[in-house]
Amino acid sequence: GAVVSQHPSWVICKSGTSVKIECRSLDFQATTMFWYRQFPKQSLMLMATSNEGSKATYEQGVEKDKFLINHASLTLSTLTVTSAHPEDSSFYICSPRGPNQPQHFGDGTRLSIL
Amino acid sequence: AQTVTQSQPEMSVQEAETVTLSCTYDTSESDYYLFWYKQPPSRQMILVIRQEAYKQQNATENRFSVNFQKAAKSFSLKISDSQLGDAAMYFCAYTRPIYNQGGKLIFGQGTELSVKP
Repeated sequence: GAVVSQHPSWVICKSGTSVKIECRSLDFQATTMFWYRQFPKQSLMLMATSNEGSKATYEQGVEKDKFLINHASLTLSTLTVTSAHPEDSSFYICSPRGPNQPQHFGDGTRLSIL
Repeated sequence: AQTVTQSQPEMSVQEAETVTLSCTYDTSESDYYLFWYKQPPSRQMILVIRQEAYKQQNATENRFSVNFQKAAKSFSLKISDSQLGDAAMYFCAYTRPIYNQGGKLIFGQGTELSVKP
């Protein structure tokens, strides 16, 4: 069965809205969470890395005030896209990692900003 | 910085035939991991095969095998007896070991594989 649950799978909202994406590791403790973004017909690009209980580390060019990451527990991490605009429309994928665990991926969230 | 390059945006193969997808990478590390991931239209990320850099033996998983050339920094994927279900986007990826800031994956640009019946 699935070991990672990512919700919602698809969200459409108006420009200026904030959107929260949840990622849960179902049967292991995710000490580290990676968030990736994938634009249409492109590759996955790492946005940020977070360790449980610590602030996230953002990749160059990713606005930390726009993409808020919370990793307060070993089974849940959230990505909030604040004041989303059409250029934030993309596919967002979480990837939790735990000790002695292979790399897992969520099924992704398709975000469409009108 | 590490980079991963897939120079074939699209590939096509006849059902039951063999196809090879290319990947090159650049790193100054001696210990790392390489992966091939499959992303079907559902956009799920599915691990196809994994290779540890310290292992000289090429990894194999059923119909999937790799040709890992460490000195040349090349990591190609061979799919034998191609099936219609193999049609997808394939990504080559690199990561450092966990003890060396590992875990985050660096992906290539992807190769879109189509399988003709």
